Amino acid sequence: DTEVTQTPKHLVMGMTNKKSLKCEQHMGHRAMYWYKQKAKKPPELMFVYSYEKLSINESVPSRFSPECPNSSLLNLHLHALQPEDSALYLCASSQGVMLAEAFFGQGTRLTVV
Amino acid sequence: GQQLNQSPQSMFIQEGEDVSMNCTSSSIFNTWLWYKQDPGEGPVLLIALYKAGELTSNGRLTAQFGITRKDSFLNISASIPSDVGIYFCAESSGNTPLVFGKGTRLSVIA
Repeated sequence: DTEVTQTPKHLVMGMTNKKSLKCEQHMGHRAMYWYKQKAKKPPELMFVYSYEKLSINESVPSRFSPECPNSSLLNLHLHALQPEDSALYLCASSQGVMLAEAFFGQGTRLTVV
Repeated sequence: GQQLNQSPQSMFIQEGEDVSMNCTSSSIFNTWLWYKQDPGEGPVLLIALYKAGELTSNGRLTAQFGITRKDSFLNISASIPSDVGIYFCAESSGNTPLVFGKGTRLSVIA
C-alpha cells in the first residue's frame, strides 16, 4: 500500500466556517507534511510532523492549525480563512524527514467564499 | 533559501517525439526526485536519484543525477498523449524537506 488518502476531495467554505482536512497513510511513514499549491505554482511547504511532533512551521498564519493524532493520521483545521487561501492542499508522507522520497495524496481543492 | 532552476517552463511537442527537461541549482544536494502532476491531482513520484552520476529508467522515462550534484535531467522517449502534465523536479540536502522546482508544463499534440 503506497497510498496517501485525503478527504474531502473538494471543499467550499465561508470565511466564518470551521472545517478540517484529513490525511491518512498506512505505510509506516514517520514524517507527514502539509503543502499548499496555487494554480500554476509548485507545492509550498506549510508544516512538517516528525514522529507525531510538529518539527517545521513555515510561518503559516494561525488560521491554519495542524494536528497529528497518531502516526497514520494528519489533520489540518481551518478557521476564519480568506478567499486568497483558496488552493489545492496536499498531504504527503515519507519514511523520515531525512529520507526525502515523499508520497503525495490527491489533494483537497479548497475554495473560500 | 535553496532555489531550483527548472527549464523549460513549458513545451509543446508532437506525439512520438522525445522530451528533455532539467533542473539546476547553485547548491549541492543528496537527492533528486522527479514528479508528475495531472490537473487537480497530487504529484506522483516518477524517479528518485540518490548518487552523483546515477542514471535510472522507469519505462520510457530516464533521469540522471549530475556528477557535480547540482543538476538533474529527465528524458521522456516516444511521447504519448497521457504524458501531458506538469513535471516537477525536487531536491533534498538530507536534513530538510523537499524543495520543488517551478515545473515544466508538457503538452503533447496528437
